Amino acid sequence: VVVTQSPLSLPVTLGQPASISCRSSHSLVHSDGNTYLNWFHQRPGQSPRRLIYKVSNRDSGVPDRFSGSGSGTDFTLKISRVEAEDVGVYYCMQGTHWPPYFGQGTNLEIK
Amino acid sequence: EVQLVESGGGLVQPGGSLRLSCAASGFTFSNYWMSWVRQAPGKGLEWVANIKQDGSEKYYVDSVKGRFTISRDNAKNSLYLQMNSLRAGDTAVFYCLRGGNSIPDYWGQGTPVTVSS
Repeated sequence: VVVTQSPLSLPVTLGQPASISCRSSHSLVHSDGNTYLNWFHQRPGQSPRRLIYKVSNRDSGVPDRFSGSGSGTDFTLKISRVEAEDVGVYYCMQGTHWPPYFGQGTNLEIK
Repeated sequence: EVQLVESGGGLVQPGGSLRLSCAASGFTFSNYWMSWVRQAPGKGLEWVANIKQDGSEKYYVDSVKGRFTISRDNAKNSLYLQMNSLRAGDTAVFYCLRGGNSIPDYWGQGTPVTVSS
């Protein structure tokens, strides 16, 4: 099951909102009722860090300007007001079906 | 504090072997599935393999099946990836992750593997 992100490049002005779409080729609802769609952020030269798990659950220490939403096959990561530290590549990842699959990544840069 | 520290990467010739290790600390290792994910230079992320808490279940992506073996030693809080018959396409940074494929959370800093003659 493939997940496809858009856009792949996202130039954003500081303080402005940003949104990344992640669409799956099949429903990501697991037989246990959970939807295993996660979001990760990778800054240049660093390993990825998880931001959001199971669609909308924000990890500890993640600013509340980040939010995840969606269901079934369509999911979105939103940043309410972009800050300089938000630059890098964002990946969605489906963990419902084997093998797990990461989106191509969305490169967020500051205009 | 959760820490995952990979080691064992390096330069290897096509057809060669490497064994990666991941030393875990800051959590009860034996309570968690563990995984390996790789990232080719300048590319995205690719899942490699998972292993259950007691090592009784292991899963691999098709591209490494039969060549890579994931294992763990709960007494040593360590995860391993034995890689045989390496190909140029296996060149990547390999990351150790806490968790299985559903909700993996922490990542190590990665260890680079280069397959080249």
